[in-house]
Amino acid sequence: AAGVIQSPRHLIKEKRETATLKCYPIPRHDTVYWYQQGPGQDPQFLISFYEKMQSDKGSIPDRFSAQQFSDYHSELNMSSLELGDSALYFCASSSRSRNRETQYFGPGTRLLVL
Amino acid sequence: EDQVTQSPEALRLQEGESSSLNCSYTVSGLRGLFWYRQDPGKGPEFLFTLYSAGEEKEKERLKATLTKKESFLHITAPKPEDSATYLCAVQGGGSGGYNKLIFGAGTRLAVHP
Repeated sequence: AAGVIQSPRHLIKEKRETATLKCYPIPRHDTVYWYQQGPGQDPQFLISFYEKMQSDKGSIPDRFSAQQFSDYHSELNMSSLELGDSALYFCASSSRSRNRETQYFGPGTRLLVL
Repeated sequence: EDQVTQSPEALRLQEGESSSLNCSYTVSGLRGLFWYRQDPGKGPEFLFTLYSAGEEKEKERLKATLTKKESFLHITAPKPEDSATYLCAVQGGGSGGYNKLIFGAGTRLAVHP
């Protein structure tokens, strides 16, 4: 079965640079979520989109922005990167319109800020 | 405030030694409780969704149960390949959005031959 696809899988950036993470949800899923997981920590919710509209917002810094496109893929844009942004970034998808709340996670993007 | 607490933080078992992991939660209007397995450096892998107290689900050596205040993940006769971090998460209906997952800190399970 098709899963959530994330790219790139690994990313190394310098402080103050920008990064763009991409997420392709499971086919026919209409909701995308972004989570950040620091070393040894549990995933923390950043932001979600349903039918291309922002649905919910968590602890996402103002330096970050995200959007969902017409093909339902989503991009997380991160600017003015800081050392503390180094983490695993997960995308998850679900089918809210079909009342299926289970979120399926992608393999993650490991971001290292030097 | 919605909160999830998992115990123990770490658990070491011998192969075949059954045990249970606990997930206690406080949430406004539970929409669902989820169990995930996570291997190091990988994305959480979905295991179970539980919606109401009294519900139980099974998959191979794993069985998840739910009460009004907590959930248990029972592992029967574990094998070394069951070694992973098990995450519990809740989805509530309170303020701040109803569809985000709130995770516990996880239980790191190590099963030795």
